[in-house]
Amino acid sequence: AQKVTQAQTEISVVEKEDVTLDCVYETRDTTYYLFWYKQPPSGELVFLIRRNSFDEQNEISGRYSWNFQKSTSSFNFTITASQVVDSAVYFCALSEGSMDSNYQLIWGAGTKLIIKP
Amino acid sequence: DAGITQSPRHKVTETGTPVTLRCHQTENHRYMYWYRQDPGHGLRLIHYSYGVKDTDKGEVSDGYSVSRSKTEDFLLTLESATSSQTSVYFCAISERLAGVEDNEQFFGPGTRLTVL
Repeated sequence: AQKVTQAQTEISVVEKEDVTLDCVYETRDTTYYLFWYKQPPSGELVFLIRRNSFDEQNEISGRYSWNFQKSTSSFNFTITASQVVDSAVYFCALSEGSMDSNYQLIWGAGTKLIIKP
Repeated sequence: DAGITQSPRHKVTETGTPVTLRCHQTENHRYMYWYRQDPGHGLRLIHYSYGVKDTDKGEVSDGYSVSRSKTEDFLLTLESATSSQTSVYFCAISERLAGVEDNEQFFGPGTRLTVL
């Protein structure tokens, strides 16, 4: 069965520190998609990235980077030189490429990231 | 930002009353979704739509119905609201269905519903 685990419920760091948010997934499909979303204190959900299972290249976008490793079924998210504005709940999600999945997104429980000034 | 609005943004109602939440998009995306978000449960799919008049159930559909008479509007109805339906409701849209390329979902601002 498909599942997304974000074992870190809450992380607190001081501004400018680097921080990595872990995401471990389970799926039987060979084709699948992984996502990260950000939910700041204001409550909206912001799409950050989609990664396809057939593309294991790491991605960097400014201070954000993502490490996708199929061997460990992980899709971790690193924020470099964190800032107070990065404080939010971050969700990892999975969708499978088969009709059996009902094409639904499977969500992790989220990691609350607190950046202290 | 994707053009998605939800109305109302906040609502307080009483047990047993009907409630309708509206999601409106200006992106002409085919797929629309309703989720609820509760502490400890993350996001859970209620219903989704893959076209006008085409809808299907999600993980937690009991007590909810939906309708989509136009591409841009997706309505969520609680026929007889219960306290367990107190939650934050999010609408989402996507160009493609989950499981294929370009399937990322974009979310509306949410509706906070309280059922007393």
